[in-house]
Amino acid sequence: QSALTQPASVSGSPGQSITISCTGTSSDVGGYNYVSWYQQHPGKAPKLMIYDVTNRPSGVSNRFSGSKSGNTASLTISGLQAIDEADYYCISYTSSSTLYVFGTGTKVTVL
Amino acid sequence: QVQLVQSGAEVKKPGSSVKVSCKASGGTFSSYTISWVRQAPGQGLEWMGRIIPILDITNYAQNFQGRVTITADKSTSTAYMELSSLRSEDTAMYYCAGDFWSGYYTYNWFDPWGQGTLVTVSS
Repeated sequence: QSALTQPASVSGSPGQSITISCTGTSSDVGGYNYVSWYQQHPGKAPKLMIYDVTNRPSGVSNRFSGSKSGNTASLTISGLQAIDEADYYCISYTSSSTLYVFGTGTKVTVL
Repeated sequence: QVQLVQSGAEVKKPGSSVKVSCKASGGTFSSYTISWVRQAPGQGLEWMGRIIPILDITNYAQNFQGRVTITADKSTSTAYMELSSLRSEDTAMYYCAGDFWSGYYTYNWFDPWGQGTLVTVSS
């Protein structure tokens, strides 16, 4: 089971919007609405930001939103802030015996 | 909301095994599945496997099949991950993560997470 493909890095200026893609196959991202996104600051555990493609947990800023088209899911951060600088990972349920596959991870830099 | 607290850092010799614990508190252990996720230094996240404690059902990632064993003790609300035949490449932070169990299906997202346990494999 190959990892989902994410861009290695994305950057933006404060206040801008950025989008992180997460590309898989019809056996994972394209086949199920079970894509979630996690933010990880250095030395910290991952934090759930989006679940079921588009849903935001209580307490997560509405600047974070998710979407999906075909085999690609996306995380958009609007009104970029310094605190958003972190690594971001997608994960999808998959039909293989390895139930879940993570994305390769994206480092977000706020310029 | 359940909280997950993991055991402390470990240093192991190549070829040995390590067993990491993940204790749940503040919630209903039987309402969650527990997954284990690995992160090598400077690398990404990798799903290793999970257990549904109330059913004692496990699923393992193909990459770890045969080398990882996940168990749970319902009486103490604790899940365990044992990795055998350790090699230097197993040096990593190991996280446990909870996924809500409805009684029939999982929600397929991970919250909460443990704080992580660093396992170092070195001769």
